[in-house]
Amino acid sequence: AQKVTQAQTEISVVEKEDVTLDCVYETRDTTYYLFWYKQPPSGELVFLIRRNSFDEQNEISGRYSWNFQKSTSSFNFTITASQVVDSAVYFCALSEEAGANSKLTFGKGITLSVRP
Amino acid sequence: DTEVTQTPKHLVMGMTNKKSLKCEQHMGHRAMYWYKQKAKKPPELMFVYSYEKLSINESVPSRFSPECPNSSLLNLHLHALQPEDSALYLCASSQAPQGPNQPQHFGDGTRLSIL
Repeated sequence: AQKVTQAQTEISVVEKEDVTLDCVYETRDTTYYLFWYKQPPSGELVFLIRRNSFDEQNEISGRYSWNFQKSTSSFNFTITASQVVDSAVYFCALSEEAGANSKLTFGKGITLSVRP
Repeated sequence: DTEVTQTPKHLVMGMTNKKSLKCEQHMGHRAMYWYKQKAKKPPELMFVYSYEKLSINESVPSRFSPECPNSSLLNLHLHALQPEDSALYLCASSQAPQGPNQPQHFGDGTRLSIL
């Protein structure tokens, strides 16, 4: 069975600090997909990134960067120069190659608070 | 603005009421989902529709009844709910078939309170 662990539950930083959100996953499949979602207080889950198991390239998008390491089954997310608007709950999720009815397995989420 | 629209945003209902939650998307997605999310918890999958047919029911109680009238709309009919059903109900959609690589796009959710 697949599993996603986000060991950090709450993180508080001061604006402009860098912060890394950890994600560790477990799966028996060789083909799988990892996602990060952001959930601001408004409730909507905002899709941030998708990474497939064959692509270990790190990715940078503005102040966001992702570090995927299959050797440690981790898919960590770093926010550089954090801003108050980054305050939200961040979910890491995993989806396996399991036919037409694949499902997302979410981690428990990390609540990030960025103080001015 | 989200491309998945949910109405109403807030709903308060008694245990004997019948109400419906609505979800609409115009991205041409053919897979649609209902999730339930309790405070400080991740979303829990309830139902999946693929090409307007129910493909996954995660053993949800029958007091929740989903309906997919067409490729753009998804409803969740509620009847005789319990206080523990109070939660944020999220709708999502993705390209179909809902392969594992397809990101799901979520609406803002409906905050449901059962009195």
